[in-house]
Amino acid sequence: GAGVSQSPSNKVTEKGKDVELRCDPISGHTALYWYRQSLGQGLEFLIYFQGNSAPDKSGLPSDRFSAERTGGSVSTLTIQRTQQEDSAVYLCASYFLGQGPYGYTFGSGTRLTVV
Amino acid sequence: SQQGEEDPQALSIQEGENATMNCSYKTSINNLQWYRQNSGRGLVHLILIRSNEREKHSGRLRVTLDTSKKSSSLLITASRAADTASYFCAIQGAQKLVFGQGTRLTINP
Repeated sequence: GAGVSQSPSNKVTEKGKDVELRCDPISGHTALYWYRQSLGQGLEFLIYFQGNSAPDKSGLPSDRFSAERTGGSVSTLTIQRTQQEDSAVYLCASYFLGQGPYGYTFGSGTRLTVV
Repeated sequence: SQQGEEDPQALSIQEGENATMNCSYKTSINNLQWYRQNSGRGLVHLILIRSNEREKHSGRLRVTLDTSKKSSSLLITASRAADTASYFCAIQGAQKLVFGQGTRLTINP
């Protein structure tokens, strides 16, 4: 596609439920990031995928968070047993390593509200 | 920490004036990037400056990088109401891209 697509755009869930957030990166982009942004705050790094390398999971806040990237394309971020502090906008970005002096392309994010 | 720190946290100026935002960091970098965010959703890439570059321009944007001071600045000239947004610097090290907390810029008509 022409851009990074994230779904759903908004998600309201009850505390304790599991949620899955999806990211469709730009076709051919080898790098994919997940970030979390709380209201009025900066972007908190969560996880980074690059090609076939093992992902950098150093930013995942707890073992309730996991992510996978299938076939080097679509990525799913899963949050188990959601808590109210998980409420935030979850942003995905993709990049083609070696494409030149260009930045990352972000999706519009998923706004997660845990009630 | 690799994270960039922006200064000021908030900036309010009159339309037509210039806006300057600063970013400081603590580690070595491959490049430093500036992004704009409207309405708390997706970020838009503005400009990337490599560690061996000192200044880059893009339209009304001017970015400088001083690796000896580990700092960068973003200058927006002749500001417009549409420039109202949050601006973030992002540090690209050997691997991941790490963002600062951002500067909230308000342009008053």
